Amino acid sequence: DGGITQSPKYLFRKEGQNVTLSCEQNLNHDAMYWYRQDPGQGLRLIYYSQIVNDFQKGDIAEGYSVSREKKESFPLTVTSAQKNPTAFYLCASSIDRGQKNTEAFFGQGTRLTVV
Amino acid sequence: AQSVTQLDSHVSVSEGTPVLLRCNYSSSYSPSLFWYVQHPNKGLQLLLKYTSAATLVKGINGFEAEFKKSETSFHLTKPSAHMSDAAEYFCVVSGGSGYSTLTFGKGTMLLVSP
Repeated sequence: DGGITQSPKYLFRKEGQNVTLSCEQNLNHDAMYWYRQDPGQGLRLIYYSQIVNDFQKGDIAEGYSVSREKKESFPLTVTSAQKNPTAFYLCASSIDRGQKNTEAFFGQGTRLTVV
Repeated sequence: AQSVTQLDSHVSVSEGTPVLLRCNYSSSYSPSLFWYVQHPNKGLQLLLKYTSAATLVKGINGFEAEFKKSETSFHLTKPSAHMSDAAEYFCVVSGGSGYSTLTFGKGTMLLVSP
C-alpha cells in the first residue's frame, strides 16, 4: 500500500534526552513536512524539504532538527533544547515542490510525551 | 502573507440535521483552499479542495464547500450529519509567490448527538 508511515505511534522521553521520530513515504513525493499539533492551535510547521539534501525552517523550528538523505525519509529529532516537546507530531508529503494547488498527504502521527 | 480563521472552535448538531463549518481566509494571491478532517489520534484526511475551477466543490462523504471571493470565505456544509462525522475539521490555505506551504486554521470540533 502506498502511503506515509510514522513510527513510533507513542513515544516517551525523559527531560534532557534527544529523540528521533521516523517518517517514511513510498508515494515518490518530492516535498515532505513536519507539523506539530497542540490542542486548539491547529498545525504549525516545524521544517519542510522540497528535495533531497535540502530543507528549510518553518514557523517553530527552534529545538528541532531534520535530515533528508533519501527521498523516502525525513526524520525529525526533538532535541533537549525544545522546552515544551509534549505534542502530537504529524509528517506529510506532497507531489510537487510547493505548487499551491497540491494537497498534502499525512501520516498517522506520533504522540510524544515528556516524563 | 496568508492566514485562515475558523470562526467556531466547536459546533454541535443532531444526527440528520445540516452541518455548517465556517472558514475565512486572507491571501495576497489567488489561493487554493482545502478542508481536512481528523479523527482522534489519527492523521489528516483530505475532504475537498478548491483550485480556481468551479466555485462549488464537492468532496467525500457528502461534504461540499463554496468559494466566495467577495466574502473571502470557504464554508464547509453537509445536508445531513451522521454520527461518524464527529471529528475535528481544518480549513487550509495555500498560495503565494515562490514556494507555498499550507497554512492551517485552528480547527473546528464537530460534535454529533443522536
